Order: sequence, then C-alpha cells, then structure tokens
Amino acid sequence: GENVGLHLPTLSVQEGDNSIINCAYSNSASDYFIWYKQESGKGPQFIIDIRSNMDKRQGQRVTVLLNKTVKHLSLQIAATQPGDSAVYFCAENINPEAAGNKLTFGGGTRVLVKP
Amino acid sequence: NAGVTQTPKFQVLKTGQSMTLQCAQDMNHNSMYWYRQDPGMGLRLIYYSASEGTTDKGEVPNGYNVSRLNKREFSLRLESAAPSQTSVYFCALRQRGRYEQYFGPGTRLTVT
Repeated sequence: GENVGLHLPTLSVQEGDNSIINCAYSNSASDYFIWYKQESGKGPQFIIDIRSNMDKRQGQRVTVLLNKTVKHLSLQIAATQPGDSAVYFCAENINPEAAGNKLTFGGGTRVLVKP
Repeated sequence: NAGVTQTPKFQVLKTGQSMTLQCAQDMNHNSMYWYRQDPGMGLRLIYYSASEGTTDKGEVPNGYNVSRLNKREFSLRLESAAPSQTSVYFCALRQRGRYEQYFGPGTRLTVT
C-alpha cells in the first residue's frame, strides 16, 4: 500500500450514502488482504478480509472488491452512518499460512460522515 | 480490543531511558505481534512471535527487543529510548488457522 505520510486522504460522505474506499497494494504476489477500521485513540478493528482467489466478499453492510489485474482493493460501506467515521486501512500478506503472517499496511483513508 | 491488554496506556520517557511495554492476552492465541504507528501513517511491524518461545524481526526492529516467555505475554523493550521512537505501539494476536489479526488498545509513548 502507499504511504501517504501525515496527510491522510479524506472521504466526506453524506449520512445514508454509500462509501467507497480505495487501496492500491504493492505486491502482485500478495495472497491475502484485510481491511481495518481505526477510531481515534483506539486500536485497529477487523472489518473484512479476502483471499486472492476471490474477487468479491460481502459482510454486514460492507463489501470488499479485489482487482488483481491492477492491484486494487476497495471497501464499500452501504448506508454510511455517523459511527463509520474513522480511518480505514488496507493491508496485504504474501503468505498468510506462514507462521509469521506478516501484514503490510497502507497509509489509510479518513472517512468523515456528514449528518 | 477485548482479550488483549496493553500497559501502560501512556508513557513519557527522556532520551536514553529504558522501559518495557507489556501485552497480555486471554484468548489463547498462538501468534503475537508488536507494531508501531506514527502520526497519519499505517502500522509497521517491529517484531512478532509465531509461538511461545520464538521471536522474529519485522520491518523496523532496530532499537527494540522482545520477549515471549509464555503463551499469554509478549513484551517489547526499549533499552535506550530515542525521540524517533515516539509513537503509538500496538500489540496484536492471531489465532492458529486464521489469518486476521486482532489489536490491543495501544500504548502512546513520547520520548523527549
């Protein structure tokens, strides 16, 4: 993922609209991808994950899409709520079965939900 | 963050001081990890432990040591703190057979 340093990209969304958060990952050999939500002052919270043999996976109000051709991952949040305001991180893993299971994180996107 | 505790929550150190950050779990997970998060950035792996008694370096291990003496606890030690180590430190867990990692609440460390 890209490291955007101190200036996080920000997505402003109207409450009730759908949100799409994008992530460009770095390694074409990555086999596992995961999205985390981080609220201010808290640790990252697992949202959803996907293996490279899939191109779509759905959870509760969230969908992850994977496009391996262009190394792109997206997280869609349906009917965005004020509680969805947070920073969202994608992470990739080349070999999730390995004992270390090392995740490489992207720089994050801040989502602001407007009432 | 249920099941993962980190102590302390906040710490201020002077350059050259040492300290140990503690992580404890009650989830019986095998793998444990230490990450640092700098302002406005993603997390970077410092060290990890695939199982009790084993540790390995991550992306940014310099200036740190770790200890995994039992399954429940994984500690991170700064022997001689530097201002560049000012960060928020997160411990994470992974259950055998699953790929997602679960994070603790973090320790905010400032080195002056």
